[in-house]
Amino acid sequence: DGGITQSPKYLFRKEGQNVTLSCEQNLNHDAMYWYRQDPGQGLRLIYYSQIVNDFQKGDIAEGYSVSREKKESFPLTVTSAQKNPTAFYLCASSIRMVIDGGDEKLFFGSGTQLSVL
Amino acid sequence: RKEVEQDPGPFNVPEGATVAFNCTYSNSASQSFFWYRQDCRKEPKLLMSVYSSGNEDGRFTAQLNRASQYISLLIRDSKLSDSATYLCVGLRGGGSNYKLTFGKGTLLTVNP
Repeated sequence: DGGITQSPKYLFRKEGQNVTLSCEQNLNHDAMYWYRQDPGQGLRLIYYSQIVNDFQKGDIAEGYSVSREKKESFPLTVTSAQKNPTAFYLCASSIRMVIDGGDEKLFFGSGTQLSVL
Repeated sequence: RKEVEQDPGPFNVPEGATVAFNCTYSNSASQSFFWYRQDCRKEPKLLMSVYSSGNEDGRFTAQLNRASQYISLLIRDSKLSDSATYLCVGLRGGGSNYKLTFGKGTLLTVNP
């Protein structure tokens, strides 16, 4: 079955440590995204990628880094520069980036809850 | 003003009730809208796209009013399983300049 898989489900970070969240999709989607969700808040875009070897900063990219070496994979690294990393992180993909007037459906992974020790 | 704003909720309704959520958007360039459903600590899932002409899917009806810049979601004959957070999402732009904006969500609890 096609889908988008995030791992781990729960992750703990020590102060000063970098951690990497995994996101893999077998939907053959070009576009992938990382969102952060804080309690009672909407999703905020961290980074997105339209195509392999290309990615763009979203609204809250500081303290995060990504790579897109393969179409299927879009890992997110939460660096030590991110001072408030505790949140629910969601990876998503869509067939392509939006075309004007398009009706793109996002497919989400099941999320990773990151907490600070 | 936030680009997408939703009723703060929470909404507590009895089973069988009809409940309506509203969402307003500030950028008239927004072109597409969606309602997503999110269960606690789960991923959001697309519930409905929203069209100007209005669209219905079973007990769910979505409306878009571009003149007043608001979107609505109506749920008839509420079920216990409808309990979730409902996210209003607006989309504008295209190509490399797209922007998808999520509202904070409205929590619905349907009680027996």
